[in-house]
Amino acid sequence: GQNIDQPTEMTATEGAIVQINCTYQTSGFNGLFWYQQHAGEAPTFLSYNVLDGLEEKGRFSSFLSRSKGYSYLLLKELQMKDSASYLCAVTPGYNDYKLSFGAGTTVTVRA
Amino acid sequence: DAGVTQSPTHLIKTRGQQVTLRCSPKSGHDTVSWYQQALGQGPQFIFQYYEEEERQRGNFPDRFSGHQFPNYSSELNVNALLLGDSALYLCASSSTSGSYNEQFFGPGTRLTVL
Repeated sequence: GQNIDQPTEMTATEGAIVQINCTYQTSGFNGLFWYQQHAGEAPTFLSYNVLDGLEEKGRFSSFLSRSKGYSYLLLKELQMKDSASYLCAVTPGYNDYKLSFGAGTTVTVRA
Repeated sequence: DAGVTQSPTHLIKTRGQQVTLRCSPKSGHDTVSWYQQALGQGPQFIFQYYEEEERQRGNFPDRFSGHQFPNYSSELNVNALLLGDSALYLCASSSTSGSYNEQFFGPGTRLTVL
């Protein structure tokens, strides 16, 4: 089975940094995605990790530890437009094409 | 370049009715997946279509069925609607020639069952 856990909500101030953790226990692992989803809109791709380590992309960075079943998404220099739900998703592996999602973390950025 | 498109945007049905949702994949993509997203939850995988066949299915009852056409577009059909089927239905497309399983999502169809 698939078990993917994220915190439900986080609040931070504009300009600050927030780290969203994701832990997973899945029957297989072939990579981990982070998606951003604004209310009422489609999820949009933020990052993909398949190897251990940190991937940096502008204000967003994502980290993966396969041995610990752990990832985090780091959002720096927060802006009001970053208020959204952030979804962690695992792609399980060979011949398993689905994305298994966590419930999402709602981030609220306050002025 | 048009992304993934879905129709209709919103739909209201009553219990017991049937519904068909439609999806056109991103240009160059040959694979379509369908997800159900209940309020406050992450998307749940329904099934994936490739080469006009259902390649993989999630834990959804047979009331949920689909189809993929030669132009790669897809339909999701739900029969005998239940109140619990109320959700956002997301279509995602991908390419088998892609370097990894990145799926591009459409804006979704919001289904309300009364």
